[in-house]
Amino acid sequence: GDSVTQTEGLVTLTEGLPVMLNCTYQTIYSNPFLFWYVQHLNESPRLLLKSFTDNKRTEHQGFHATLHKSSSSFHLQKSSAQLSDSALYYCALSDRGGSALGRLHFGAGTQLIVIP
Amino acid sequence: GPKVLQIPSHQIIDMGQMVTLNCDPVSNHLYFYWYKQILGQQMEFLVNFYNGKVMEKSKLFKDQFSVERPDGSYFTLKIQPTALEDSAVYFCASSPGTGVYEQYFGPGTRLTVL
Repeated sequence: GDSVTQTEGLVTLTEGLPVMLNCTYQTIYSNPFLFWYVQHLNESPRLLLKSFTDNKRTEHQGFHATLHKSSSSFHLQKSSAQLSDSALYYCALSDRGGSALGRLHFGAGTQLIVIP
Repeated sequence: GPKVLQIPSHQIIDMGQMVTLNCDPVSNHLYFYWYKQILGQQMEFLVNFYNGKVMEKSKLFKDQFSVERPDGSYFTLKIQPTALEDSAVYFCASSPGTGVYEQYFGPGTRLTVL
């Protein structure tokens, strides 16, 4: 079945260093839709990035990710971490492409802590 | 941005009792979802709902679970009777259903079954 793997449960970084959070997925669907959600403490998960185009970089709020179907990856990156980036990050896969009936399959989440 | 609200934020009940979790979705959204997250585990899909009907449910959506959205009010998840394994955070989401859809999530309801 469809699944998403986030290998790091916790990432601790010093402010100003680059961020890379890993996400790989498995799906039988040939056109996967991938998402990154961010959840700050006591807030709702909020969509950060989404992509369904192979090898195309998508950017938002300083973060970027590229869907690579060849390696089934959708890693989240940022050139310079800020204290306000501290949050829980979820990678998710829709199992029905862009359909609103698609179920989101979430990874376990990566807690990012940025320290001064 | 658009907000999904969930009421209550926390609920503690005794095993066997009924509980109703309420979700106030984004206005004009057409698709609604519930997800369940057990402590320390991944968020998992429970059910989606459109046009007054359950469209799809996962194996986690037991017979004791039901959803409805009467007259365009709250989208509710009812569990009757509750079991210990129902203890989790339940997230509601809604989607406009157009374009490359995005699911907007609420902050979750933490349910503790004793």
